[in-house]
Amino acid sequence: AQKVTQAQTEISVVEKEDVTLDCVYETRDTTYYLFWYKQPPSGELVFLIRRNSFDEQNEISGRYSWNFQKSTSSFNFTITASQVVDSAVYFCALSEVPNTGGFKTIFGAGTRPFVKA
Amino acid sequence: SAVISQKPSRDICQRGTSLTIQCQVDSQVTMMFWYRQQPGQSLTLIATANQGSEATYESGFVIDKFPISRPNLTFSTLTVSNMSPEDSSIYLCSVVTLEQFFGPGTRLTVL
Repeated sequence: AQKVTQAQTEISVVEKEDVTLDCVYETRDTTYYLFWYKQPPSGELVFLIRRNSFDEQNEISGRYSWNFQKSTSSFNFTITASQVVDSAVYFCALSEVPNTGGFKTIFGAGTRPFVKA
Repeated sequence: SAVISQKPSRDICQRGTSLTIQCQVDSQVTMMFWYRQQPGQSLTLIATANQGSEATYESGFVIDKFPISRPNLTFSTLTVSNMSPEDSSIYLCSVVTLEQFFGPGTRLTVL
């Protein structure tokens, strides 16, 4: 069965420090997708990144970087030089494409970094 | 990409009543999904709504409580029936094209 674990509920970080949000997933499928979303206080979900299971390349986008390691079933997200505007809830998600068709996404519980000035 | 709009954006309802939430997409999509986010919680999939077939509900969600319509490839509705305070949540519509996109959500409060 699918499962996404974000063990950190809240992380306190001082502005300009780096913060890493952990994500560990479980799946029996060989083909799957991993996502990170940001949910600011306004409530909308902002797509950050998608990774498919065959692409273990790490990615950097501005101050964001992602480390995908299939060996440990982890897809961690690092915010470099954090800013107050980074304070939001970040969700890791896992999507599978069942043989029966469709597309099923499971979300982690979310992690909220509190960035203090 | 896909642009998704939802109506209403928020509502306050009385216990025992029903609310229908609309989801409109700016392009034709095969798969549409409805999620619930209870206060302070993560997102939980309610059902998958494909045009031309009955919605497929996840464990813990039933059609009598959350009837869904999908009349065409750009529109869907979710009804929250016989509401109780436990139904107070954000309800999000989602579609999958090359990526998974989410609507802005409908914030429902049941008194």
